[in-house]
Amino acid sequence: DSGVTQTPKHLITATGQRVTLRCSPRSGDLSVYWYQQSLDQGLQFLIQYYNGEERAKGNILERFSAQQFPDLHSELNLSSLELGDSALYFCASSGTGTGSYEQYFGPGTRLTVT
Amino acid sequence: DAKTTQPNSMESNEEEPVHLPCNHSTISGTDYIHWYRQLPSQGPEYVIHGLTSNVNNRMASLAIAEDRKSSTLILHRATLRDAAVYYCILTESYNAGNMLTFGGGTRLMVKP
Repeated sequence: DSGVTQTPKHLITATGQRVTLRCSPRSGDLSVYWYQQSLDQGLQFLIQYYNGEERAKGNILERFSAQQFPDLHSELNLSSLELGDSALYFCASSGTGTGSYEQYFGPGTRLTVT
Repeated sequence: DAKTTQPNSMESNEEEPVHLPCNHSTISGTDYIHWYRQLPSQGPEYVIHGLTSNVNNRMASLAIAEDRKSSTLILHRATLRDAAVYYCILTESYNAGNMLTFGGGTRLMVKP
């Protein structure tokens, strides 16, 4: 158990809909990351938040957005869903400071768009 | 981000040591070398990381070449549970954390 929780585990929805994925980081971790894993693209970094502020952006579509709340949990919002958005979405968290810190990943949310 | 090169797949026998290589010839002086693995149907899992010196932890050892252009992840006694995709990733030191750029990784198969 990594200490990172994600809900829901599975999500099935139709094209055009909007969904929200939720992530609770490990206790004390200020950084939260979102990744997408699809069969054709592999694991891709989407976005990072640090203590409530957006810190880095990767290959995140404009239809996707995220936020980190004062209690440090994070939500990833996916809208106008397309079939190609079907994927596993992972959240990770890490400590911060000088040096380099390992990331701890949650179990993921499997999104199926039909 | 500096890139890494890993073999697509490797095979090992159970209870034997496994050496997983990674080339990173364009590594910069401040890049850390991280290894993660992903077991089937699970999220990635941190294995080990280092900067210049070899590192050991309960899961594995990391051997870093003197010029830092390559590294090797060593699993001392492979078990069936070690069958996974292993990713070698370079990250910069950044006090707010840093994203991971995953490549294709090495798929390790462990034979009983």
